[in-house]
Amino acid sequence: EAQVTQNPRYLITVTGKKLTVTCSQNMNHEYMSWYRQDPGLGLRQIYYSMNVEVTDKGDVPEGYKVSRKEKRNFPLILESPSPNQTSLYFCASSASSGITGELFFGEGSRLTVL
Amino acid sequence: EDQVTQSPEALRLQEGESSSLNCSYTVSGLRGLFWYRQDPGKGPEFLFTLYSAGEEKEKERLKATLTKKESFLHITAPKPEDSATYLCAVQGVADYKLSFGAGTTVTVRA
Repeated sequence: EAQVTQNPRYLITVTGKKLTVTCSQNMNHEYMSWYRQDPGLGLRQIYYSMNVEVTDKGDVPEGYKVSRKEKRNFPLILESPSPNQTSLYFCASSASSGITGELFFGEGSRLTVL
Repeated sequence: EDQVTQSPEALRLQEGESSSLNCSYTVSGLRGLFWYRQDPGKGPEFLFTLYSAGEEKEKERLKATLTKKESFLHITAPKPEDSATYLCAVQGVADYKLSFGAGTTVTVRA
């Protein structure tokens, strides 16, 4: 079954404690991306990756890091989480290297930073 | 900076009552405009891509249209299972960023 898998699905942490949200896709997609979704603000792109070792900033990259060492994995790293990073996070991938807006989304990871 | 505005924020329909959702956008050169459906507690699900003004796409009771400044998602004779949040997104030719609107939440009552 084609899927994008995120872990953990739910996480409560404290300010400053480094955490990683993993994302893995089994569709051999080149393009992967991370979004956060907040009420009233919609989905905002954090980082995206066109291929292995190629990453670029989206609209809200501050406070986040990513890496793309393998095609299937695109982890999101919060080095020192703060309460304003409390949000619902989605990882997504796309088969197209041109029109990358046709995305396949994961189920989401709800993060709370106290 | 690309901008996407969706209206209305919420729409309550009676089963069978057709309506339209609006997506207004500003982008320097459109690579594509995308519609998604999102159910509560789920990730968005891709519906359509529109590339140029005048283009139309259909899927079951949904029809998406595109002009140079906006897109419409028409829901014909909706059913309760069409209840969801519908998201619009644009991608410009300058880069591969994708900008989403805040969405329209549609509720269809039986």
